[in-house]
Amino acid sequence: EEQLVESGGGLVQPGGSLRLSCAASGFTFNTYWMTWVRQAPGQGLEWVGNIKQDGSEKYYADSVKGRFTISRDNPKNSLYLQMNSLRAEDTAVYYCARDVGTTWGQGTLVTVSS
Amino acid sequence: DIQMTQSPSTLSASIGDRVTITCRASQSISSWLAWFQQKPGKAPKLLISKASSLESGVPSRFSGSGSGTEFTLTITSLQPDDFATYYCQQYNGYSWTFGQGTKVEIK
Repeated sequence: EEQLVESGGGLVQPGGSLRLSCAASGFTFNTYWMTWVRQAPGQGLEWVGNIKQDGSEKYYADSVKGRFTISRDNPKNSLYLQMNSLRAEDTAVYYCARDVGTTWGQGTLVTVSS
Repeated sequence: DIQMTQSPSTLSASIGDRVTITCRASQSISSWLAWFQQKPGKAPKLLISKASSLESGVPSRFSGSGSGTEFTLTITSLQPDDFATYYCQQYNGYSWTFGQGTKVEIK
């Protein structure tokens, strides 16, 4: 069964950092683009960014460019989202997804608050 | 960046109704459009990719059409399990965007 499991969410102060992880199983991880999507409480979906199979290309939404970094470790079947300089408006459930969204994780909540 | 505009924002319908949701792109995205269904507290579920390609396991009452800048998601006979929020997403190029969502409610 194809599965994605996010972890690493929690409460962080404004200006702080957090690293999210996404563990993949049940499919050949290194053959897919991977994507991060977030959803603020009661709001719609927002594409955060994605990363090519070998990590050589990464793209980001303007709202996170320069603050967030996506990376992957193919031997470990893992995807990461390093979030720096966090703001209150980054508060959301963060989902990892396979390519355009064929498979999704359950999400992990990030709360940015003092 | 490409903007996606969905309409309506909310839709009230009854079981058995035919429902149509529209998504408009600010510039041509060819057929690089997906539709998702999301229920409260759950991750989105991919229904349709490439504007009209139904994902495996998705009921045939769902269909997608369109290309360029105008797209539609149609549910031919609304079922109780279909009450949810629906999102379109364009994935043309390297910056992807979602529509703002359409909530389908019970009339």
